[in-house]
Amino acid sequence: KAGVTQTPRYLIKTRGQQVTLSCSPISGHRSVSWYQQTPGQGLQFLFEYFSETQRNKGNFPGRFSGRQFSNSRSEMNVSTLELGDSALYLCASISGTGTRAFFGQGTRLTVV
Amino acid sequence: GIQVEQSPPDLILQEGANSTLRCNFSDSVNNLQWFHQNPWGQLINLFYIPSGTKQNGRLSATTVATERYSLLYISSSQTTDSGVYFCAVPFNQAGTALIFGKGTTLSVSS
Repeated sequence: KAGVTQTPRYLIKTRGQQVTLSCSPISGHRSVSWYQQTPGQGLQFLFEYFSETQRNKGNFPGRFSGRQFSNSRSEMNVSTLELGDSALYLCASISGTGTRAFFGQGTRLTVV
Repeated sequence: GIQVEQSPPDLILQEGANSTLRCNFSDSVNNLQWFHQNPWGQLINLFYIPSGTKQNGRLSATTVATERYSLLYISSSQTTDSGVYFCAVPFNQAGTALIFGKGTTLSVSS
C-alpha cells in the first residue's frame, strides 16, 4: 500500500506570493488533516477534511485555505505569503474517526 | 481547548540506556498516539493507545486514561532512536484532527 504523498518536498517563495501544496492520502482513507510545524510554535493543526467537507479548522488566518477532491486528495493554499509562513507543512491520512494517523514526508516552505 | 504537556523536553542518553517519556493531557480523550519525528521531518506513528499497554520491540507505551497521562518506554536505546517524540490527542470528538505536545528531543550517543 502506498504511503501518504506530499508534493512538492521543498519550495522557496517570495513574500506576497501564493503557494499550493498537495497531499495524496493512503488509498481508501477519506480523512486528511494539515499541520504547520515551526521551531517556535511546534506542530499546529490547520484544518481537516473528510469526504470533501472541512470538518475542523485550527486557529489560522483566512490566508490559509484548503480543499479536498472526490478522490480524497487534498490541497492547501496560502495566499499573500509572509516570512512567518516559513515552516514544514505536514499532511496526515486517517481511515476513520478515532484511528491512527499516518503522515507524509512534508513540504518545507521557505518564504524570502 | 485540550492541553497536552510532555516531559522532559530534552533527554540525553548513552547507547544501551533506558528512558521514560511522559505525556499529560487536560481532558478525557478517546485515543492517544505517539510519534517519532526522524531527522528528515517525517512523523512515524509508533502507537495508537487509547488505554492500556502496548509493546513493539524495544518500545512500549502505557496510557492511564482515567488519570490523563501516557508513558512511552524506550529500552536499550540505540543511536537511531534519536529524534523528537510527540504525543497527540484528538482536537475534538467530531473528527480526526490532532493536538500535539511540544515533544521530547532524545539524543542517543554511542
